[in-house]
Amino acid sequence: KAGVTQTPRYLIKTRGQQVTLSCSPISGHRSVSWYQQTPGQGLQFLFEYFSETQRNKGNFPGRFSGRQFSNSRSEMNVSTLELGDSALYLCASSLNGAPYEQYFGPGTRLTVT
Amino acid sequence: EDQVTQSPEALRLQEGESSSLNCSYTVSGLRGLFWYRQDPGKGPEFLFTLYSAGEEKEKERLKATLTKKESFLHITAPKPEDSATYLCAVHILMDSNYQLIWGAGTKLIIKP
Repeated sequence: KAGVTQTPRYLIKTRGQQVTLSCSPISGHRSVSWYQQTPGQGLQFLFEYFSETQRNKGNFPGRFSGRQFSNSRSEMNVSTLELGDSALYLCASSLNGAPYEQYFGPGTRLTVT
Repeated sequence: EDQVTQSPEALRLQEGESSSLNCSYTVSGLRGLFWYRQDPGKGPEFLFTLYSAGEEKEKERLKATLTKKESFLHITAPKPEDSATYLCAVHILMDSNYQLIWGAGTKLIIKP
């Protein structure tokens, strides 16, 4: 069974630009969650989508948004990038919905210059 | 304030030297506690879910236990491939929705 895939794996953007990250969950999983991981703050929850509906949301500004498609693939968009957005962005899929038994992808390393 | 603290921050052991990692929490209304391991450059890998005090789960050289204030991840006769960062996360309910509070992790290094 294929695992969670994320594209791209690495990304360099300039402050003020926007970026879209993609996540394909494990086949059959309808839940996709997004996390930001930084050395200083650790893992922080962004939002969860379940069957195309946002089910939960963390405390991030509105510049961070997401969506989920009918095939459960999900995208996360960050607009007006700031230097502090540099981080590893992880997505995780779950059969029964977060926070239960989540399977993480390898992440997208975003660097904002 | 809900808080999850992992200790130690880093632990170096010789191969075969057993030890324990700690995850202590101060939260209202624990719904569950999760353990993950994370290798460098990869996403976390699910290990265990514990739901109530007294519960224990085992997998190969790892054993997770839960009390009302903390969880331990016991590593028996570790091997170099057990080297990773171990993360715990606590599941609580807040404003009728779930919240997952992550610890900062313990970096475990097993020397051959």
